[in-house]
Amino acid sequence: AQKVTQAQTEISVVEKEDVTLDCVYETRDTTYYLFWYKQPPSGELVFLIRRNSFDEQNEISGRYSWNFQKSTSSFNFTITASQVVDSAVYFCALSVLNSGGYQKVTFGTGTKLQVIP
Amino acid sequence: DSGVTQTPKHLITATGQRVTLRCSPRSGDLSVYWYQQSLDQGLQFLIQYYNGEERAKGNILERFSAQQFPDLHSELNLSSLELGDSALYFCASSVAGPPDRLLWSANVLTFGAGSRLTVL
Repeated sequence: AQKVTQAQTEISVVEKEDVTLDCVYETRDTTYYLFWYKQPPSGELVFLIRRNSFDEQNEISGRYSWNFQKSTSSFNFTITASQVVDSAVYFCALSVLNSGGYQKVTFGTGTKLQVIP
Repeated sequence: DSGVTQTPKHLITATGQRVTLRCSPRSGDLSVYWYQQSLDQGLQFLIQYYNGEERAKGNILERFSAQQFPDLHSELNLSSLELGDSALYFCASSVAGPPDRLLWSANVLTFGAGSRLTVL
């Protein structure tokens, strides 16, 4: 079975601080993909990044960066110089193929980030 | 606009009633997923359809049912509603996938804005 754990339920930071959101996953599949989604106060989930299980290169996109470590089954997300617009709930997700060969996506419980001006 | 349309956006009903939530996937997407988001419960997977066929089932109650129609829109039916069914219900869709089915786990889910159900 697959599992995604986001141990941080809520985080508050002051604007311009850096913040890291943790994600730990469990799967026996050797081929899988990891995702981060953002859910702003408006409610709609927005895709941020996808990583496959064979690519452990870290990725940076502007103020966002992602650290994938297979050895610790973690896929952490760091926001540098946080801004108020970063306030949202962030979900980590794990995608594998189910026994029928179709995509199965398991989400973590989310981390609510509040950036205080 | 994500391209995934969900209606209604808000719905208030009483216990024991039945409601239908509707989802139109993004153009070209064959897979539809339904998720339930309750307070402090994260996103719970309910059910998945691919091109009209049910392909995966999560923790979906027997009081709930869904289907995907030939035009690919999907409906989630919730019956004998209870207070605990109050939640945000999301529909998501994904592309059929690349020709190599082994890569289907790479598909990005595109979410609709959700339907907020309040059961009083």
